Amino acid sequence: DQQVKQNSPSLSVQEGRISILNCDYTNSMFDYFLWYKKYPAEGPTFLISISSIKDKNEDGRFTVFLNKSAKHLSLHIVPSQPGDSAVYFCAARFTGGGNKLTFGTGTQLKVEL
Amino acid sequence: NAGVMQNPRHLVRRRGQEARLRCSPMKGHSHVYWYRQLPEEGLKFMVYLQKENIIDESGMPKERFSAEFPKEGPSILRIQQVVRGDSAAYFCASSPAGGGQPQHFGDGTRLSIL
Repeated sequence: DQQVKQNSPSLSVQEGRISILNCDYTNSMFDYFLWYKKYPAEGPTFLISISSIKDKNEDGRFTVFLNKSAKHLSLHIVPSQPGDSAVYFCAARFTGGGNKLTFGTGTQLKVEL
Repeated sequence: NAGVMQNPRHLVRRRGQEARLRCSPMKGHSHVYWYRQLPEEGLKFMVYLQKENIIDESGMPKERFSAEFPKEGPSILRIQQVVRGDSAAYFCASSPAGGGQPQHFGDGTRLSIL
């Protein structure tokens, strides 16, 4: 039962262009969403989050959009840089759920020169 | 380095042995979480602890796995009588409070079972 889904295992983007990573969820109780970035042999690094009371949150080059009716969120990276090449995980939790995170399976982003 | 510290980074055990994984949370964090990542999969929640208390162990296998976070010292994830299927990366995360704060992760322990 995969409650958080990242249907694209990989994505290639040219340096300077926009990267758009997508995430879908099935549990309508989720009310807080996070994106983590992970390099090989390292732990996930927190990037950006969004509460379900918002539909957009921006932090520098990273913007997360939330569409609650579609149960869909996306992470936009503009402009993409070679250092952004990593695996990106979408995660979700819900109030009363003990703060445990439910993760998607990740999207490998490759930013090419 | 004030981040989440996990050790060892790599651990090799033979089937039937015990594995002990340690996690020291970030300074000022009192909540610890353990996750497991199998190859080609996302991280799966195992257990959530505060000092001397297990808050949520809904993701822990019912047998052979246990976790603690004593008053003093690191959190320990213990796997008894390891089997090949326990081979995975085990990540620890910490946060300063039970909700509303992003969890910060350590670099994981890669457990290999021979």
